[in-house]
Amino acid sequence: QKEVEQDPGPLSVPEGAIVSLNCTYSNSAFQYFMWYRQYSRKGPELLMYTYSSGNKEDGRFTAQVDKSSKYISLFIRDSQPSDSATYLCAMSTYTNAGKSTFGDGTTLTVKP
Amino acid sequence: DAGVIQSPRHEVTEMGQEVTLRCKPISGHNSLFWYRQTMMRGLELLIYFNNNVPIDDSGMPEDRFSAKMPNASFSTLKIQPSEPRDSAVYFCASSLVSEDQPQHFGDGTRLSIL
Repeated sequence: QKEVEQDPGPLSVPEGAIVSLNCTYSNSAFQYFMWYRQYSRKGPELLMYTYSSGNKEDGRFTAQVDKSSKYISLFIRDSQPSDSATYLCAMSTYTNAGKSTFGDGTTLTVKP
Repeated sequence: DAGVIQSPRHEVTEMGQEVTLRCKPISGHNSLFWYRQTMMRGLELLIYFNNNVPIDDSGMPEDRFSAKMPNASFSTLKIQPSEPRDSAVYFCASSLVSEDQPQHFGDGTRLSIL
């Protein structure tokens, strides 16, 4: 079983929809939680970065971390066609903050 | 501020040839990571360096793969001899571990071994 599980999708939604992307994990030592967005033929780009539990909002994006359930989410409000990409979650422990464990990514398509 | 720079962007070569991938991390970052991404296996960590020293190379698939970081601004990943199953996109990423900062990725090298 992988340390980080992520539904690969694909996920297709109409423009303007609210998108929910999720990851579960098994390592309770994870303290840092990241979401990366990867466009085709590009490297992963950091989207959101949170420490420990709670919510973090940045524009149309909200990241949630529930450490008791070992579950993290990324919400995208008012989704746009430009949000079409693969979204990867990533996590790391405090003692090894630089080394992250990645999910396999969820492919999202937002249709105009 | 310049991001992580990788070269070449694309490489096509024949089986058995030596392949060298290059990476220039973000200035001031003290950790560097090499990843491989395929449809079947996703993003796999191959090796990472802290302050130019290899810390964990457990992800390197076999002895045909080697990585070096001679200074803080340059790293190479070498495959010798290359095989068709090495075909993948190879990413380099860097971070500033002392500040608990996440990784920043380059745009990758798309490698095809014929």
